[in-house]
Amino acid sequence: AQSVTQPDIHITVSEGASLELRCNYSYGATPYLFWYVQSPGQGLQLLLKYFSGDTLVQGIKGFEAEFKRSQSSFNLRKPSVHWSDAAEYFCAVVPDTGRRALTFGSGTRLQVQP
Amino acid sequence: EPEVTQTPSHQVTQMGQEVILRCVPISNHLYFYWYRQILGQKVEFLVSFYNNEISEKSEIFDDQFSVERPDGSNFTLKIRSTKLEDSAMYFCASSEKGQFEAFFGQGTRLTVV
Repeated sequence: AQSVTQPDIHITVSEGASLELRCNYSYGATPYLFWYVQSPGQGLQLLLKYFSGDTLVQGIKGFEAEFKRSQSSFNLRKPSVHWSDAAEYFCAVVPDTGRRALTFGSGTRLQVQP
Repeated sequence: EPEVTQTPSHQVTQMGQEVILRCVPISNHLYFYWYRQILGQKVEFLVSFYNNEISEKSEIFDDQFSVERPDGSNFTLKIRSTKLEDSAMYFCASSEKGQFEAFFGQGTRLTVV
């Protein structure tokens, strides 16, 4: 079945440490890929997107993500986490260009320790 | 910076009542969406709307749901007869023609009692 998987439900990192959040998808073709962040009580904010081209994409707030076709992955990274990064992070895909509906992963809750 | 705005932020309604959730998409966007997130679950697509008609809908979007663009700025989701399981955060989103990234509002938390 087509799906988006975020294997880590909850991650805790220390402030200043590096971060990698995993996302895998199972679709035949390369979908359009997105990362969104949801801070407590807030809506969903787009961090970055991948459509084609350079497989390393830069986003807002110092985040980047790398698309790896061989692994069907689109992992989100940040070299040094700040306390304000504590939030829930969602990977999402548009499975094919004929549609626009986003399919979301189940999310990864990030906790940042001082 | 332009943003999607949703009202109200929180609505409590009795089971069986009709509820209308309102959204003002970003002004130059042409695609509009509703998503929902039941507490503790993933965000789920409900419906997309373009050129005054539904362009996609999920199996969740059954006959008790409807959408409308009553004027040039608002986009609404109506739930005809609410059930307890409709309790969720409902997100409105919009995107430009030719763009796939959607911009989300802050959400309306619907509580059905």
